[in-house]
Amino acid sequence: DAMVIQNPRYQVTQFGKPVTLSCSQTLNHNVMYWYQQKSSQAPKLLFHYYDKDFNNEADTPDNFQSRRPNTSFCFLDIRSPGLGDAAMYLCATSRVSRRETQYFGPGTRLLVL
Amino acid sequence: SQKIEQNSEALNIQEGKTATLTCNYTNYSPAYLQWYRQDPGRGPVFLLLIRENEKEKRKERLKVTFDTTLKQSLFHITASQPADSATYLCALNNNNDMRFGAGTRLTVKP
Repeated sequence: DAMVIQNPRYQVTQFGKPVTLSCSQTLNHNVMYWYQQKSSQAPKLLFHYYDKDFNNEADTPDNFQSRRPNTSFCFLDIRSPGLGDAAMYLCATSRVSRRETQYFGPGTRLLVL
Repeated sequence: SQKIEQNSEALNIQEGKTATLTCNYTNYSPAYLQWYRQDPGRGPVFLLLIRENEKEKRKERLKVTFDTTLKQSLFHITASQPADSATYLCALNNNNDMRFGAGTRLTVKP
């Protein structure tokens, strides 16, 4: 089945220790997104790619970086995680534009100690 | 500033009843609106999309309405079942982006 896969499902890191979350998709979608979601809150868009064109949201901290080496894979790097970065991180795709239905992965729950 | 508000954080209903969830928005002109279901510890899953020129959309036990005058969408689940228990998010699309509401957690009791 075509899908969006996120690894790992749970990630524990230490305060200040860099961490990378990964996402892959078999849908061959052009657009990929990273969202941060905290408990009982709306998913907050961090950035998105149109193919390899990177688009950062204005309020995304510099601590968050992303890479998309090819159509299928996208990575979220948190350079120096703080306690406030503990959240669920969701990867999503859409076929050609941000206006379309988005397909989400299962998420990675990040815990910062 | 743009706001998306979903009626209440939690809604509890009895099995068999109709659940009605509300999504209100301000300072936004969506071209269309989507509803997603999110189970605990999982990503949202798309349910229904309704365009600004459509009043109502149905899919099996689900019904969505969209009133651009009231700036409101209603999401109904008829003949609700315990398996419908989840958080339901509305998402508004304009020509540039999509924004999510915080969701309403629905619990259907047997």
